[in-house]
Amino acid sequence: QKEVEQDPGPLSVPEGAIVSLNCTYSNSAFQYFMWYRQYSRKGPELLMYTYSSGNKEDGRFTAQVDKSSKYISLFIRDSQPSDSATYLCAMSAEGQNFVFGPGTRLSVLP
Amino acid sequence: NAGVTQTPKFQVLKTGQSMTLQCAQDMNHNSMYWYRQDPGMGLRLIYYSASEGTTDKGEVPNGYNVSRLNKREFSLRLESAAPSQTSVYFCASSDRQNYGYTFGSGTRLTVV
Repeated sequence: QKEVEQDPGPLSVPEGAIVSLNCTYSNSAFQYFMWYRQYSRKGPELLMYTYSSGNKEDGRFTAQVDKSSKYISLFIRDSQPSDSATYLCAMSAEGQNFVFGPGTRLSVLP
Repeated sequence: NAGVTQTPKFQVLKTGQSMTLQCAQDMNHNSMYWYRQDPGMGLRLIYYSASEGTTDKGEVPNGYNVSRLNKREFSLRLESAAPSQTSVYFCASSDRQNYGYTFGSGTRLTVV
């Protein structure tokens, strides 16, 4: 079993839809969680950074962490064609490097 | 505000050739990282430097060496390139481990 699992997609949604992107993990020591967005042929850019459990909101983006289920989510409200990208989750334990999921490719159709 | 700068952006090597990928950051970050990204496999850590003067192996270090030249610069060297090293290479930096990473724009390397 991989340490971090993520559905590779592709996920296609109409413009304006609410998008839910998810990752599961096996290491109960993970405490730090990140979501990155990566446009084609570009480097990943940090979207959300959270510590431990709970929710964090930033504009149209909400990150949710459920440590009891070892499950994290990124919600995108009012999705736009410009949100079309690959979304990577990453997580780490204290003092350890981040482990990245393989990414989910999202396509928002006008 | 450059962030993390990687050179070159593209490179084609013949099997057995050597090359060095350069990375520099201007954010005064302590930690720097080298990743490779392959289809379906996500980002895999090659080497990292938690602070100036230290380097450590990551998940896939074989065939690579690194140098933390100073706080700003972290280079990755392929001594004898192999086709299995065809990949996109990303450098990243962070203020410290467990903090968010800033990535460069990547180097697309093809080994023929």
